[in-house]
Amino acid sequence: GEEVAQTPKHLVRGEGQKAKLYCAPIKGHSYVFWYQQVLKNEFKFLISFQNENVFDETGMPKERFSAKCLPNSPCSLEIQATKLEDSAVYFCASIHRITSSYEQYFGPGTRLTVT
Amino acid sequence: AQSVTQLDSHVSVSEGTPVLLRCNYSSSYSPSLFWYVQHPNKGLQLLLKYTSAATLVKGINGFEAEFKKSETSFHLTKPSAHMSDAAEYFCVVSDRGTYKYIFGTGTRLKVLA
Repeated sequence: GEEVAQTPKHLVRGEGQKAKLYCAPIKGHSYVFWYQQVLKNEFKFLISFQNENVFDETGMPKERFSAKCLPNSPCSLEIQATKLEDSAVYFCASIHRITSSYEQYFGPGTRLTVT
Repeated sequence: AQSVTQLDSHVSVSEGTPVLLRCNYSSSYSPSLFWYVQHPNKGLQLLLKYTSAATLVKGINGFEAEFKKSETSFHLTKPSAHMSDAAEYFCVVSDRGTYKYIFGTGTRLKVLA
């Protein structure tokens, strides 16, 4: 498609439950990025992929968070055993290829609420 | 390492008056810089981008920004604020090595009637 799609729009989980978020990048885009926006509006980079390969995972919490981008499937971000502090909006973005602008195209986000 | 600093966390202007949102950057290379707007409970919308072409960049909705290398600044301006401009604004630099976005902490713009 021509837009980055993210599902679900909203997700509510009790503390300790698993959460799984999905992102379908724009068709033909080879780079995918995940960002976390916490309640103070600050954005944190989590992880990026080049096709199905992890490109940069320097922002991923070592425990509980994992992500995948498999061929012919939406990318996913999974949080095992959610904590209250995981409550945030998670944005996915994609780039076709590295051009001079480095512009990323963002999805609408998934709001995760951990209760 | 690259970074951006948004100098004001909150800015209030009256409708019809000019808007100035300040952003300074730090970069070892010629940076790629962006301004995004986020309305409450909404996603990110690109206002404009600088990619080493013209230093004065025009964006959507009457916004523009000027890249000043000597001042390491990329301030966002609009001649006349509209009520619909009330939102959170983010200055962003793209990391040249990893392509990830590095966001500023945001400036909340309030427009007074």
